[in-house]
Amino acid sequence: EAGVTQFPSHSVIEKGQTVTLRCDPISGHDNLYWYRRVMGKEIKFLLHFVKESKQDESGMPNNRFLAERTGGTYSTLKVQPAELEDSGVYFCASSQDSWGVAQRIFGSGTRLTVV
Amino acid sequence: AQSVTQLDSHVSVSEGTPVLLRCNYSSSYSPSLFWYVQHPNKGLQLLLKYTSAATLVKGINGFEAEFKKSETSFHLTKPSAHMSDAAEYFCVVTLTGGGNKLTFGTGTQLKVEL
Repeated sequence: EAGVTQFPSHSVIEKGQTVTLRCDPISGHDNLYWYRRVMGKEIKFLLHFVKESKQDESGMPNNRFLAERTGGTYSTLKVQPAELEDSGVYFCASSQDSWGVAQRIFGSGTRLTVV
Repeated sequence: AQSVTQLDSHVSVSEGTPVLLRCNYSSSYSPSLFWYVQHPNKGLQLLLKYTSAATLVKGINGFEAEFKKSETSFHLTKPSAHMSDAAEYFCVVTLTGGGNKLTFGTGTQLKVEL
């Protein structure tokens, strides 16, 4: 079974540019989560999709971040315009239901560096 | 509110010696606690979980953790380290009953030396 796939694995962009991260969840997983780890800090929740709907976006840092999940399959996270403090590792996870934390499968992350 | 503190950012052990990664938590309600591991270029993998059943929890790869309510701790241990255990480990807390809000610790990088 394929896991949660994220790409690119690494991205280096200049301040002010736009970057789009993509997450392909496990097939059949309705729940999709985005997390972020800023350098040296803890991993923090960004938002949660159930199918194509945003269930909880309370962790989104500001309106430069836009997440979409059209059709309820893969998801994108766009940062526009990128700032230096957006550098970090962005993780995606998916699960069939939202209650079982242990069933949440994580991707390997996208390392974003804004210079 | 809930929080988790991983007391060591880096731990170094020799192969074959015990591993202890420390985690303390704070939670207003009954917590669920987890340990995840991330090997280089891999996703976060669940090692073990505590969800109000047995306080000593056994996980994969010989790891175990003990929930101590009186000490608000959930330390991760392994009797004998292997080179393949070198990775970053995260202690995570959430409220019992599920929910989406995982609260992660800052991670402990485990180094295993020959």
